Amino acid sequence: GDSVTQTEGQVALSEEDFLTIHCNYSASGYPTLFWYVQYPGEGPQLLFRASRDKEKGSSRGFEATYDKGTTSFHLRKASVQESDSAVYYCALSRNSNNRIFFGDGTQLVVKP
Amino acid sequence: ETAVFQTPNYHVTQVGNEVSFNCKQTLGHDTMYWYKQDSKKLLKIMFSYNNKQLIVNETVPRRFSPQSSDKAHLNLRIKSVEPEDSAVYLCASSIDWGYAEQFFGPGTRLTVL
Repeated sequence: GDSVTQTEGQVALSEEDFLTIHCNYSASGYPTLFWYVQYPGEGPQLLFRASRDKEKGSSRGFEATYDKGTTSFHLRKASVQESDSAVYYCALSRNSNNRIFFGDGTQLVVKP
Repeated sequence: ETAVFQTPNYHVTQVGNEVSFNCKQTLGHDTMYWYKQDSKKLLKIMFSYNNKQLIVNETVPRRFSPQSSDKAHLNLRIKSVEPEDSAVYLCASSIDWGYAEQFFGPGTRLTVL
């Protein structure tokens, strides 16, 4: 079945560090891939999405590239800020089954 | 700007009590959802409604029941709460059933003593 795997449960960085959160998926065809972010006290919100191989999604300095060859959609940011501290979810959806599958989430803590 | 509203923000109750949570969306969306988020931040879908009709009912205990009066409202009732029901309950909506971008409310945190 469809699934999303996030390797890191928690990531601790200092401001201006480079961020990578790994996301690998399992699904047939070309699912739509998403990154959602959840700030403390709020619900998750969409960061960006991608639907085609090699397509890059980006927002607020974060980016990820859809890679069908490695079935990955890793989240990256060149220089994190304390305000980026949040939980990040990778997710996928295939129109054929109208479902969205979330990864387990990665808690990012950025220290000043 | 918040467009998915949930009440209450927090609720503390005793085992065996009944609780009810409310959700309203002002986005004009056709589909609404309830998720449970546990202490490890795992998101688990519970129910999906499209135009007031139940579409997806994941394997949840029978004490949970969704209620929809119109496509803008989706409430959640828990008939007899148990300690493992302590969690954050998130309501979400999307344009329609085939559209995966979801808009979430801020959640209701339930604590069962």
